[in-house]
Amino acid sequence: EIVMTQSPATLSVSPGERATLSCRASQSVNSNLAWYQQKPGQAPRLLIYGASTRATGIPARFSGSGSGTEFTLTISSLQSEDFAVYYCQQYNNWPLTFGGGIKVEIK
Amino acid sequence: EVQLVESGGGLVQPGGSLRLSCAASGFTFSTYWMTWVRQAPGKGLEWVANIKQDGSDKYYVDSVRGRFTISRDNAKNSLYLQMRSLRAEDTAVYYCVFSASGSYLIWDYWGQGTLVTVSS
Repeated sequence: EIVMTQSPATLSVSPGERATLSCRASQSVNSNLAWYQQKPGQAPRLLIYGASTRATGIPARFSGSGSGTEFTLTISSLQSEDFAVYYCQQYNNWPLTFGGGIKVEIK
Repeated sequence: EVQLVESGGGLVQPGGSLRLSCAASGFTFSTYWMTWVRQAPGKGLEWVANIKQDGSDKYYVDSVRGRFTISRDNAKNSLYLQMRSLRAEDTAVYYCVFSASGSYLIWDYWGQGTLVTVSS
């Protein structure tokens, strides 16, 4: 099983600042990496797939990068609606696995 | 408008059974892989199972294989998850999900979820 490790567990950021979220895979997942955003009481929302492709309707301030084992989600200028938990997911191997999540909170 | 509406959750004793349903609408259900993803209270996400369009292929996470069965009824636009021998660690919100774009292994449509609580 591929283990996905996200860091840091919590990220404190001021509105308007840049946020950089990391995700590491225990073995290569090529570019088969997705990012989701989840707000309290809501279902997750797909942000990024293929490591760097934004899903439909996702603002350009969200960008993804990386391949192999190291991945990054960058939010260029945090808006109030971006404070949430972010999960990465690999879909290169069975079983499909998620990271533990990163909570982005207001500083 | 795409809608996925889960039902069937509730409180069940350890060792018990429960059947979850997902009513799909707003898209051609029979042409998409469907998936169940769960989330334990206050925890992260876990893929549970998925099923091919015609039901001929099914995949499960190891922790539920042999206890859970995913199935679908394309005539009724419905997805199911039969859960047996339930354990405390199966307590979670169960989401019905699918992908309308690209890979069936990532999901851009999610239901609101149904809570399953396994406790005596």
